[in-house]
Amino acid sequence: AQKVTQAQTEISVVEKEDVTLDCVYETRDTTYYLFWYKQPPSGELVFLIRRNSFDEQNEISGRYSWNFQKSTSSFNFTITASQVVDSAVYFCALSEASNYGGSQGNLIFGKGTKLSVKP
Amino acid sequence: NAGVTQTPKFRVLKTGQSMTLLCAQDMNHEYMYWYRQDPGMGLRLIHYSVGEGTTAKGEVPDGYNVSRLKKQNFLLGLESAAPSQTSVYFCASSLDGVGYSSGANVLTFGAGSRLTVL
Repeated sequence: AQKVTQAQTEISVVEKEDVTLDCVYETRDTTYYLFWYKQPPSGELVFLIRRNSFDEQNEISGRYSWNFQKSTSSFNFTITASQVVDSAVYFCALSEASNYGGSQGNLIFGKGTKLSVKP
Repeated sequence: NAGVTQTPKFRVLKTGQSMTLLCAQDMNHEYMYWYRQDPGMGLRLIHYSVGEGTTAKGEVPDGYNVSRLKKQNFLLGLESAAPSQTSVYFCASSLDGVGYSSGANVLTFGAGSRLTVL
């Protein structure tokens, strides 16, 4: 069965510190997709990144970077030089690949990690 | 562009009352979803739709009904509200299903609807 585990419930850092949010997943499939979403205090969910299981290249986008390792079933998210505006709940999510009629709606979310960045 | 709009944003109900949450998207997306978010539980899928006139059950469908009479709208109904349905409800939409490889499987979320059942 699919499962996403975000073991860190809450993390608190001081501005300019680097912080890594962990995400471990379980899936039966060889083809799947991984996502990260951000939920700031205002409440809306914002898409950050999508990765498919065939692409293990790490990705960097400004202060954000993602480390995807199939060998450890992990898709970790690092914020470099954190800022107060990074304070949010971050969700990792998993979807198995589907053909028509398959699990088109089955995006499994982790329970989220609440990041607090203090000035 | 408005994206995904949910109404109402807040609602307080008494146990046993009924209500409907409306989700509207203006992106011509085929797929629409209703999630609920509870503290410490993440987001859980209630129902979803793969196109106009279709609906399917998600992880936690009991106590809810949905309809997709028009492509742009996805309604979530509570026929007899219970305190266990106190939650924040999120609607989302996507061009393709979440398992598709096209890259159009990214969900766009609404701002959420906070429902309290007393």
